[in-house]
This record gives sequence, structure tokens and C-alpha cells, in this order.
Amino acid sequence: GESVGLHLPTLSVQEGDNSIINCAYSNSASDYFIWYKQESGKGPQFIIDIRSNMDKRQGQRVTVLLNKTVKHLSLQIAATQPGDSAVYFCAPFSGNTPLVFGKGTRLSVIA
Amino acid sequence: GAGVSQSPSNKVTEKGKDVELRCDPISGHTALYWYRQRLGQGLEFLIYFQGNSAPDKSGLPSDRFSAERTGESVSTLTIQRTQQEDSAVYLCASSRLREGYTFGSGTRLTVV
Repeated sequence: GESVGLHLPTLSVQEGDNSIINCAYSNSASDYFIWYKQESGKGPQFIIDIRSNMDKRQGQRVTVLLNKTVKHLSLQIAATQPGDSAVYFCAPFSGNTPLVFGKGTRLSVIA
Repeated sequence: GAGVSQSPSNKVTEKGKDVELRCDPISGHTALYWYRQRLGQGLEFLIYFQGNSAPDKSGLPSDRFSAERTGESVSTLTIQRTQQEDSAVYLCASSRLREGYTFGSGTRLTVV
């Protein structure tokens, strides 16, 4: 099965700084990857996705980088704001099997 | 509807009672998933429905857990003879095949 790890369980950043959240996956057959944000008391929300034929994708203030060689993803948040405080999950797709989520990284923004 | 709707949002039940949790997926989403999230933990897969195929029940933790789905509509997760270890947030998500999931806000279950 898929094994998803996160390099740091918690991350504290100063407001206005950039944040980088890392994620490792184990299944080389994974071909689609999604980052989710979960705020306290809410369900996870889709942030950005990337397919395996890309190595970078940008959204509004967020960028996802994919390195298939080492099976690693990162989520970069530019100019981090207090509203970015949440738990972030990466989820790799492998075929039609349900998404496997790791424990997530808790991002705390210091005002 | 516009999003995935779950009810109730909170449920407190006595140990040993049965509970039913409901999920209304987004119209047109053929896939529906149930996950469990214990406090401070990640999402634990429970069960997956895809169209009219047999559900993937590989994540159900015991035979006290069961789920049904009517066509591509509402799903109900039933927990029989609840135990304190069943206390968690139960999240439902729906999607089109091979697309990102849309999650509901979850049902917070507390077994006392």
C-alpha cells in the first residue's frame, strides 16, 4: 500500500515569510498528487494538484514541486498569512485506489 | 448540492448504542469515501463506493462498522455497539473518478 511521510510534523513561520512543507511517498506508480489544507473543525480542502508529467505547478501564492526521482513533493506558500495556519496533507493517487493520507504537517503562522 | 453534506455535525452516544452517520455527496460524483480522523491524527480510510461496483471495505476496522450507498446518492455509515475508541471525526468525500476529492465537514462522534 501507499506510505506517505512528512518530514516535519509542525512548522512555525513568521507572517510574511515563505513556507515549505515537504512530503515523501513510496509508490513509484503514483501519477497524480493533491495537497489538502485542513483548518480546525473543518474537512480537508483541495489546494492544488499536480500530475506526474509535470514537475512544477503554480497557483495563487502556492507552488507544488514534484521530484519523481526521489519520490518527493513540496508545497511552497508565499508570503504566509495567519489564515494559512492549518494542517496540510499530501495525497498521492495510485490507480483507482482510495487516497492515503499521512498525519499531516501543522503550519503555525506567527504574527 | 453545492458541497458534500454530512449529518449530524456532532453526535454524543452512550457506549454500546448504535449510530448512523449520513453523507450527501455532490450530484454527479460517482465515487464516495468514508474516512475516520482521530484527534491530532491523519485520515484513516474506511470504505469506498464507486458507481454500481462492489464497495471496497478493506479499511473497516471491525464488523461493527458497515456502510451503504443508494445508487450514486446518499450514504450511511453505521457503527453498532459503539466503543469509546470509536470516538473520532468521520469524514465523507465524493469525487468523479480519478479527480480530487471534495470533503464534507465531518461528524464528530463522542462515545461516553
